[in-house]
Amino acid sequence: QKEVEQNSGPLSVPEGAIASLNCTYSDRVSQSFFWYRQYSGKSPELIMSIYSNGDKEDGRFTAQLNKASQYVSLLIRDSQPSDSATYLCAVERAGTYKYIFGTGTRLKVLA
Amino acid sequence: DAGVIQSPRHEVTEMGQEVTLRCKPISGHNSLFWYRQTMMRGLELLIYFNNNVPIDDSGMPEDRFSAKMPNASFSTLKIQPSEPRDSAVYFCASSFLLAGGEQYFGPGTRLTVT
Repeated sequence: QKEVEQNSGPLSVPEGAIASLNCTYSDRVSQSFFWYRQYSGKSPELIMSIYSNGDKEDGRFTAQLNKASQYVSLLIRDSQPSDSATYLCAVERAGTYKYIFGTGTRLKVLA
Repeated sequence: DAGVIQSPRHEVTEMGQEVTLRCKPISGHNSLFWYRQTMMRGLELLIYFNNNVPIDDSGMPEDRFSAKMPNASFSTLKIQPSEPRDSAVYFCASSFLLAGGEQYFGPGTRLTVT
């Protein structure tokens, strides 16, 4: 089992819809979780960090964390074609300060 | 404010040559991370520093790889000798905190070893 798992996609959603991206992790004691967006040929760009169970909202983005079920998700409301990118989930391995990245989910927002 | 700065942005070299990648972290950040990204292996952490001190280099693939951080505003990743399988995009990232800190990535260096 990989430490951090994401569906590689592509996940296709129509413009204006909600895109839901999911990530599961194996380390039960992880405390820090991050979502990055990476456009083709560019570097990862931090979108959200989340540390506590529940939801965290920032503009059109909502991160959701459920430590008991060991998953973290990212919702993108009112999806735009410019949201088309690969979304990387990162989990800090407890006690090591290392981020373990998932392989990413490719999102395509169709105009 | 300037983000993480990396140079060069592209590097093409022949097998056996020495390659040096450079990184300037965000001012005020005290942790620096070197990553490598390939299609096959995704984004992998190679080494990280805290307050200029290497903390964990277990991700460095071989002795051919070395990294230094002589001061708070500069780090290098060196590959000597380079091999075609080292071809990848190398990212540097920095954060204000080591534990739980948000990491900000530089633009990366695309390395091609022929």
